[in-house]
Amino acid sequence: GAVVSQHPSRVICKSGTSVKIECRSLDFQATTMFWYRQFPKKSLMLMATSNEGSKATYEQGVEKDKFLINHASLTLSTLTVTSAHPEDSSFYICSALTGLGYNEQFFGPGTRLTVL
Amino acid sequence: AQSVTQLGSHVSVSEGALVLLRCNYSSSVPPYLFWYVQYPNQGLQLLLKYTTGATLVKGINGFEAEFKKSETSFHLTKPSAHMSDAADYFCAVCDGGTSYGKLTFGQGTILTVHP
Repeated sequence: GAVVSQHPSRVICKSGTSVKIECRSLDFQATTMFWYRQFPKKSLMLMATSNEGSKATYEQGVEKDKFLINHASLTLSTLTVTSAHPEDSSFYICSALTGLGYNEQFFGPGTRLTVL
Repeated sequence: AQSVTQLGSHVSVSEGALVLLRCNYSSSVPPYLFWYVQYPNQGLQLLLKYTTGATLVKGINGFEAEFKKSETSFHLTKPSAHMSDAADYFCAVCDGGTSYGKLTFGQGTILTVHP
């Protein structure tokens, strides 16, 4: 089956630093990937749609200068949280469209970001 | 615009009992509907999906769901709960049209299974 990985799985950083999270489709090419944010005991909130070779499309209320997304290849999208603050602490999950079937997304295992 | 409502943020059942997790949706076009399960500190795993065709869909781990257009519902059921079913469950809708691939999630339901 389609496998999506994320790296790192956990990261702790100091306030003001930037953190990069990678999302990879391991056995398929993904022209479209999605980035979600999940607060504790809450649902997933779509942050942005990442399309290979073009600019990401951000959802309303998501700061694109704060959350930089790059989708440079068909198997890799990155999310960089710039100048992180404690309120950016969250669980970040990516997903990738396989292009097969009916819009089925495969999700990565998530990255737990803690900003001190 | 599309939306999903999951009735009941917490559901508790005994092992062996019926599991029923409720999901209602709104969509301006025929929807694609999904149920996902999430275990602690993990991503989402697809349980089952409805796209077209048979309205009763069977998924993994003994779960099934029925698409009822007249009720705009897609409730998830399992005849007999197992301890390993304890997790968070999310219903999601995608219109597959202009917002190709974008999922809208419900608030989630925490399923607790007690002995």
